[in-house]
Amino acid sequence: DIQMTQSPPSLSASVGDRVTITCRPSQTITINLNWYQSKPGKAPRLLIFGATVLQSGVPSRFSGAHSGAAFTLTINTLQPEDFATYYCQQTYSSPHTFGQGTKVDI
Amino acid sequence: EVQLVQSGAEVKKPGESLRISCQVSGYNFVAYWITWVRQMPGKGLEWMGRTDPSGSYTTYSPSFQGHVTISADKSVSTAYLQWTSLKASDTAMYFCARQRPTFGESDYWGQGTLITVSS
Repeated sequence: DIQMTQSPPSLSASVGDRVTITCRPSQTITINLNWYQSKPGKAPRLLIFGATVLQSGVPSRFSGAHSGAAFTLTINTLQPEDFATYYCQQTYSSPHTFGQGTKVDI
Repeated sequence: EVQLVQSGAEVKKPGESLRISCQVSGYNFVAYWITWVRQMPGKGLEWMGRTDPSGSYTTYSPSFQGHVTISADKSVSTAYLQWTSLKASDTAMYFCARQRPTFGESDYWGQGTLITVSS
């Protein structure tokens, strides 16, 4: 199985901050990397697919990038509704593993 | 409007069997894979497996292979997740999701089904 290592596991931020979350796969996954937002009791929400493509309806303050073997999710100008847990997922090979999650709180 | 509507919460005893469902509407059911994801209390997302409703081809995560069965019935546009013998460790929220073929991303999700297994 491909292991997805996310960092940091958690971070504290304030409204208006810029935050960056990193995801590193244990082997190559080309650009088959997706990012989701998860809130308690709710279904996950797709934010970014194909490493860099913004899902329709997702605010442009969310962006994805990759450099070498590392993938990043950046949230510019953090809004109150962005406090949540974020997961990366590789869909290069089965099983389509998720990272451990990064909790963004105040 | 694309919708995935899951069956309601269940409380079961260890050793009991269970099947939960995910009924879709608003798109051609056989055109997209359906994925199942587990979230244990206070824990992260775990990919369980996926099924191709057009041909009933299914693949599982090794972590779940042999313990659950994923299936689909295209006549009623519904996917299923079932257990023959539940364990307390199966207590979790289970989500179904539609998987797009572009990069395998899951763009629409069910609301989740909470399963509680307790004696």
